[in-house]
Amino acid sequence: SQTIHQWPATLVQPVGSPLSLECTVEGTSNPNLYWYRQAAGRGLQLLFYSVGIGQISSEVPQNLSASRPQDRQFILSSKKLLLSDSGFYLCAWSVEGGGQPQHFGDGTRLSIL
Amino acid sequence: LAKTTQPISMDSYEGQEVNITCSHNNIATNDYITWYQQFPSQGPRFIIQGYKTKVTNEVASLFIPADRKSSTLSLPRVSLSDTAVYYCLVEYGNTGKLIFGQGTTLQVKP
Repeated sequence: SQTIHQWPATLVQPVGSPLSLECTVEGTSNPNLYWYRQAAGRGLQLLFYSVGIGQISSEVPQNLSASRPQDRQFILSSKKLLLSDSGFYLCAWSVEGGGQPQHFGDGTRLSIL
Repeated sequence: LAKTTQPISMDSYEGQEVNITCSHNNIATNDYITWYQQFPSQGPRFIIQGYKTKVTNEVASLFIPADRKSSTLSLPRVSLSDTAVYYCLVEYGNTGKLIFGQGTTLQVKP
């Protein structure tokens, strides 16, 4: 069966520090991969999605970036965090192709101090 | 402008049927509608997905009228453990956008 792993579960970082969140999927090949952010008490905002290695589409301009160095690995990064980057970050995968259900990880709670 | 809209909150009692409607006026012919359930500090969990008419699985039903401009998630006989936030997602194929609704907080009371 397929599984998705996100780490860390929680993270506290100072303003201006770098960020690296990792997401890996097991049990499937060539998945679509997604990064979302969820502000406290708010809905989900799609940040990035990827349909293949090295292929990244950005949905919103910001100081975050994403990379997909391997088929089942998706990384969310920042060189310098802002206070507004605080939130709940969720990684998801779906079977390749459109219209497929997404399956989410357990998320990373990021707090910027 | 593609938009996915759902009520902010709903209250219900144990044993009742709950219907949550999502509006998606700009849905295209081949776009799917997907519903998710989210508990606090967890990732959303897939509930059901549909394209047209009616879909039913072991936990919910999804009703989609002919014009497909809205859809209704139906939860039969809810229990306290169904208290959660429910999200509607539409992938707007004509723009390539994945847009979640703002989420409906369902509170089930005893």
